[in-house]
Parts: sequence; structure tokens; C-alpha cells
Amino acid sequence: AQSVTQPDIHITVSEGASLELRCNYSYGATPYLFWYVQSPGQGLQLLLKYFSGDTLVQGIKGFEAEFKRSQSSFNLRKPSVHWSDAAEYFCAVGAVNTGFQKLVFGTGTRLLVSP
Amino acid sequence: DTAVSQTPKYLVTQMGNDKSIKCEQNLGHDTMYWYKQDSKKFLKIMFSYNNKELIINETVPNRFSPKSPDKAHLNLHINSLELGDSAVYFCASSHSRARGANVLTFGAGSRLTVL
Repeated sequence: AQSVTQPDIHITVSEGASLELRCNYSYGATPYLFWYVQSPGQGLQLLLKYFSGDTLVQGIKGFEAEFKRSQSSFNLRKPSVHWSDAAEYFCAVGAVNTGFQKLVFGTGTRLLVSP
Repeated sequence: DTAVSQTPKYLVTQMGNDKSIKCEQNLGHDTMYWYKQDSKKFLKIMFSYNNKELIINETVPNRFSPKSPDKAHLNLHINSLELGDSAVYFCASSHSRARGANVLTFGAGSRLTVL
């Protein structure tokens, strides 16, 4: 069965420092991969997605992620974190079931930004 | 204009009661979903409808009954509420694309508290 692992429950980064959030997936076929962000009390917003092609994908708010098939990973990065980036980040894999997709989410990583 | 709107945003009720959450999307999508986010922020799919037809039903107790009157609406009715039903319920929608490369747009969530 498909699954997503986000090994870091929470991460604290200083404002202006770089960020990398880890994501590993398990899926038998070529995966569709996503990163979503959830700000406190809000819904989920799509940051970026990987379907095919270039393994380095750019998203909104200056985020990027790199798909590495050999490591079954899709880590999220940002070169310089802003205080407004503090939120919960979810990695997800799109699993096709009877022709239709469902998203399987990781358990999330809470990002804290220190001054 | 809210793309995926859910009502109510907050719901507090007693055990044993019956309650409904409504969802509407104005994106012209043909697939809608209900996800449950528990107290540990874990997100899990409950149901998915494509063009008013149920396509995903993830081992959810039959106290939960989704209804899709048209492809822009997906409601969730819950009978005989239990303490464990307390969670945030997210509605989402997407186009159903070939091979499942769907991008989900989420609503802001409905926080259900069962006392």
C-alpha cells in the first residue's frame, strides 16, 4: 500500500536561514507527489506538485522540491525562511485506485520560525 | 469568491446527535472528497465522488453518509455522533484527469467537537 513518511514532527529555523523538510514515499508505480501547507486554523494550500519531467519543481512562495526516485524522496526546500512560513507542511502521494486518485498524506511537519 | 466552501466552520454537539456538514465548489470540478484530520493533524480520505457517483469509500463507519446532489455539492451527514468523531473535516475538489494526476483544492475545514 502507498504511504508517506515525514520523519520530522517539528523543525525550528531562524528567520532568513535555509529550510529542508524531508519526505519519503512508498508507491509501486511512478508517483504523483505534492506538498501542501496548512496555516493555523486554515485549510490546505498547494505549494507545488510533481507529475513528470524535470525532477526539480518550483512552487509558490519561493519553495522548491526535488524528486529523487532512487531515494524515494521528495524533499521541500526554501533558501531563506520568512516568519510567515511558520505552518504545518504536508507531503502527499497521489495513489490511483480504480482509475481515480486519492491523496495519501504524511503526518506533517510543523515549522517554527525563530526571530 | 470562495472556491471550495464548507458550512458550518465550527460545530459543537452532544454525543448521540445527528449533524451535517455541507460543501460546495464553484471551480467546475467533477470530483469531490471528504478528508478527516484528527487531533494529531493526520489527514485521511473518507469518501470521493465523481459526477455524483461514489468512487472511494475508505472503511468509514456507516454512521457517516455522504450525499452528492450534483457535482458541485458534497454533503456529509453523521448519525449517532461519538466522541471519536471530533476532528476537522475537509472538503476538496478536483478535475479527474487521466491516470489520476489530480490537483485537489481544499476548503477551510469544519471543526466538529463532540461532547
